[in-house]
Amino acid sequence: DAGVIQSPRHEVTEMGQEVTLRCKPISGHNSLFWYRQTMMRGLELLIYFNNNVPIDDSGMPEDRFSAKMPNASFSTLKIQPSEPRDSAVYFCASRQAGGAYEQYFGPGTRLTVT
Amino acid sequence: GQQVMQIPQYQHVQEGEDFTTYCNSSTTLSNIQWYKQRPGGHPVFLIQLVKSGEVKKQKRLTFQFGEAKKNSSLHITATQTTDVGTYFCAGHTQGAQKLVFGQGTRLTINP
Repeated sequence: DAGVIQSPRHEVTEMGQEVTLRCKPISGHNSLFWYRQTMMRGLELLIYFNNNVPIDDSGMPEDRFSAKMPNASFSTLKIQPSEPRDSAVYFCASRQAGGAYEQYFGPGTRLTVT
Repeated sequence: GQQVMQIPQYQHVQEGEDFTTYCNSSTTLSNIQWYKQRPGGHPVFLIQLVKSGEVKKQKRLTFQFGEAKKNSSLHITATQTTDVGTYFCAGHTQGAQKLVFGQGTRLTINP
């Protein structure tokens, strides 16, 4: 299995631009999580989906952030408009239903907003 | 809300020394997981503990879950340079589906 796939791996954009991060979970996993990691705040859960349905988006910082999961094999996290404080590494993780509930993380997208 | 505190935040050791990181939850956990993140990498699952007082070993790593299921520890015996990274604990409360991560302990090693 290829594992969780994220794109792009790096993104540099100017303040005010729209940014879209993409994630393909492991096939057969029915839960998907978006995290943000910074030195100051550590690893923060932004939102998670079960069976493509958003369950908890309480970690989404502002209305500028939105996430979708149109099908079981694809999710997006969009920031519009982006701000310098959004600079971070964004991880997507997926998990199989039941079992040990371990999460498999993607390689992350390093976002820099100038 | 549920909080998971992890100490120390940083630990620097000489290669061959032991290392321990501690994790404390504000609420009782149904299980606790440990992840390792190498520099520049992503968190990778190490282990899950479920039972009160449970102890599990993976080679030089020993994981423990407290009797009250509110704390946990990871101990590495005789560290090696390959152990460098940040170790995170993360817990589920009963019925919850989301993991709450600790802040992590960053381990650096002097060869």
